[in-house]
Amino acid sequence: DAKTTQPPSMDCAEGRAANLPCNHSTISGNEYVYWYRQIHSQGPQYIIHGLKNNETNEMASLIITEDRKSSTLILPHATLRDTAVYYCIVSTSGGGADGLTFGKGTHLIIQP
Amino acid sequence: NAGVTQTPKFQVLKTGQSMTLQCAQDMNHEYMSWYRQDPGMGLRLIHYSVGAGITDQGEVPNGYNVSRSTTEDFPLRLLSAAPSQTSVYFCASSYFPGAGISPLHFGNGTRLTVT
Repeated sequence: DAKTTQPPSMDCAEGRAANLPCNHSTISGNEYVYWYRQIHSQGPQYIIHGLKNNETNEMASLIITEDRKSSTLILPHATLRDTAVYYCIVSTSGGGADGLTFGKGTHLIIQP
Repeated sequence: NAGVTQTPKFQVLKTGQSMTLQCAQDMNHEYMSWYRQDPGMGLRLIHYSVGAGITDQGEVPNGYNVSRSTTEDFPLRLLSAAPSQTSVYFCASSYFPGAGISPLHFGNGTRLTVT
């Protein structure tokens, strides 16, 4: 699996959009971009994933650049409960035989 | 829908003791796995299974055994606990093969301390 680079921490005001960047310059053509988050003391929670196109679900939007070398996770209206560590992962299998490589992620802190 | 259930939530062991961490899922997922998370580090894969009767090693398998007799359950056994096994253990499951479209569902972890 390709490696990813994320800022170690970010702040965002409650109610504003939180934009979390991720670089994955060595991503291969069959690798998806996954985002998970881990709220303190809980198991990681799946947020969203994509291959080439931008994706949106009830939790977030995922914007992938045309060259697929970077992506941005957008939480449109951040709340205090969105404070967590966010992991950007690239994988062909979604976590099958190889497992998922969780780096250190971005610690997002939502400020009241 | 309970999802992935791990028991116990907390456990303290003495060096040399053995124990089993339980994991059960009710989503009929073929794939199940165990990760450990140490302070300041990401999750590391211990063992995984792609179906009943099939298991394989991940990145850090030493000191742990697994078996998969049913689709629902995937217990992790510590044979002789060591302080280096103090960690938070997470079980995860998904459909398999995921083919990029089956994300992992995680339990809420077992916090193990070995003294």
